[in-house]
Amino acid sequence: AQSVTQLGSHVSVSEGALVLLRCNYSSSVPPYLFWYVQYPNQGLQLLLKYTTGATLVKGINGFEAEFKKSETSFHLTKPSAHMSDAAEYFCAVSGPDYKLSFGAGTTVTVRA
Amino acid sequence: KAGVTQTPRYLIKTRGQQVTLSCSPISGHRSVSWYQQTPGQGLQFLFEYFSETQRNKGNFPGRFSGRQFSNSRSEMNVSTLELGDSALYLCASSRGQTASTGELFFGEGSRLTVL
Repeated sequence: AQSVTQLGSHVSVSEGALVLLRCNYSSSVPPYLFWYVQYPNQGLQLLLKYTTGATLVKGINGFEAEFKKSETSFHLTKPSAHMSDAAEYFCAVSGPDYKLSFGAGTTVTVRA
Repeated sequence: KAGVTQTPRYLIKTRGQQVTLSCSPISGHRSVSWYQQTPGQGLQFLFEYFSETQRNKGNFPGRFSGRQFSNSRSEMNVSTLELGDSALYLCASSRGQTASTGELFFGEGSRLTVL
């Protein structure tokens, strides 16, 4: 079965600084990879997804992620943090059993 | 275009009772999946339905069940509630036959508290 590890349950960044959220996965086959964001008292919203093709994936709100097969990673970045980026971020992977497995989540706080 | 609608948004039950949660997917979406979100366990997959058929199931006891109707609306039921069932239950819909390869559209969730 596939699994996801998100390094760091909390990340604090200054407004305008780089946001880097780390995600490593395990899967026996090339996976589908996703990043979702959850704002307080809301459901999850898809930021971006990797299925096949280009390893650098661009998403909404200026986020992007790079699929690195050799490192089994799918880290999420945003060059310049905005106050509105404060939320919880989830990395997810699906594998041969077609079940979506989520990481534990990383809460991002943005300092003014 | 209306989003995924979950009802009720909040509910309080006592141990031993049962609860039914409802989910209306986005119009045209035929796949519905359910997740349990808790601070300790995070997001855990419950089950997935497509065209009224359960396509996949997570590792939850038989007290957790679900179904999907011909209009794609889905319900999940938890019987004999336990304190540990307190959680945010999220429903998601997607266009494709399986939720795990496409974009999921989530509702705001039903927050269940078991006393």
